[in-house]
Amino acid sequence: NAGVTQTPKFRVLKTGQSMTLLCAQDMNHEYMYWYRQDPGMGLRLIHYSVGEGTTAKGEVPDGYNVSRLKKQNFLLGLESAAPSQTSVYFCASSYMATSTDTQYFGPGTRLTVL
Amino acid sequence: ILNVEQSPQSLHVQEGDSTNFTCSFPSSNFYALHWYRWETAKSPEALFVMTLNGDEKKKGRISATLNTKEGYSYLYIKGSQPEDSATYLCAFLRYSGGGADGLTFGKGTHLIIQP
Repeated sequence: NAGVTQTPKFRVLKTGQSMTLLCAQDMNHEYMYWYRQDPGMGLRLIHYSVGEGTTAKGEVPDGYNVSRLKKQNFLLGLESAAPSQTSVYFCASSYMATSTDTQYFGPGTRLTVL
Repeated sequence: ILNVEQSPQSLHVQEGDSTNFTCSFPSSNFYALHWYRWETAKSPEALFVMTLNGDEKKKGRISATLNTKEGYSYLYIKGSQPEDSATYLCAFLRYSGGGADGLTFGKGTHLIIQP
């Protein structure tokens, strides 16, 4: 059981480049989430998904797109990277979003946009 | 934007001492309050999920209480050990119509245990 994995672990982009971050979970969880973590800001929700084929906006969705084509994968895309998107990105999943379901986090992807 | 506040921002505690810190959150549309422990270079790991007013949870030397009416939760660590050094995050889950959406996290309390 790998839990939640993220690819890649590190990436450096130039302004305007695009990339996709991959999150995979093997726990058969319905819900998946993308957060970004910035110094002094805590974890902020970018987008989330309540099941295969669904996505919804979180607190800071601008500049990102997501897709959930398969239940186990949740992709985060940056179409035209900006320095403001330099951050550590965490993916998480939960079985559902009932009041007692905890979220399981991946190891993070450190992205630098120059 | 929901306001989830944690205090203090950082805390230095001598090994063996007990300590506690606070999470405050909106008292309306409460669904759940999560506590996570986040060690440096690792991922956040769930400590507790609390749902009912007056809930008390315990895991070893760590315990938490919940007051949903006034919108706060306390995390207590008894007899702090160096391995307790971490950032402790609380996260508020709001009920929104048909269920809940994503967690809103506080900025965390960074705890350092000094030998």
